[in-house]
Amino acid sequence: DTEVTQTPKHLVMGMTNKKSLKCEQHMGHRAMYWYKQKAKKPPELMFVYSYEKLSINESVPSRFSPECPNSSLLNLHLHALQPEDSALYLCASSQDQGRPNLFYEQYFGPGTRLTVT
Amino acid sequence: AQSVTQPDIHITVSEGASLELRCNYSYGATPYLFWYVQSPGQGLQLLLKYFSGDTLVQGIKGFEAEFKRSQSSFNLRKPSVHWSDAAEYFCAVAPNNAGNMLTFGGGTRLMVKP
Repeated sequence: DTEVTQTPKHLVMGMTNKKSLKCEQHMGHRAMYWYKQKAKKPPELMFVYSYEKLSINESVPSRFSPECPNSSLLNLHLHALQPEDSALYLCASSQDQGRPNLFYEQYFGPGTRLTVT
Repeated sequence: AQSVTQPDIHITVSEGASLELRCNYSYGATPYLFWYVQSPGQGLQLLLKYFSGDTLVQGIKGFEAEFKRSQSSFNLRKPSVHWSDAAEYFCAVAPNNAGNMLTFGGGTRLMVKP
């Protein structure tokens, strides 16, 4: 099973709402990632978790709050978003975060399409 | 500055024709190189990767890519395109001294004419 699942598939929220995106994998991977992909643009890395600890935060605004409750789950909590935050949010996982001269393939979920009104 | 460039934003080919998508990178040392495909509204699927060794790599769905160090290129090819190949294609790199940090090119949208 090489599947990464994401829920919901679509989400519409107002700028004052609080919502969460969920990502799940059962491959035993210990690294998980959040990417943001604007329309007609490539994915951009937001966060990396390694062994359930936040490893990398690519200077993401605090209105995005990641959480890794266990090794299979990754959440992205959203609060006070702006319309420009509308995008496809992709989750990925890999066996490990990798290190110099060692790369682990990332498996991507289908994404959550977020619209902020 | 380190970068990965896909010069063609859109490409249209006829079904059955051959395909080549271009990718150029600018890094201090040869990074790990990848091609991903993304169908509309979907996540990314890895087509193939190059770490070292044979410069012609085979991937899934009949795709191949050739690494050319002298040109800092990693172009994707397919001898005969199928209508189902219409999608967005991303070249990506990961510096070989930085673990799993992927940087994507801008993407090439492939359209297939019947």
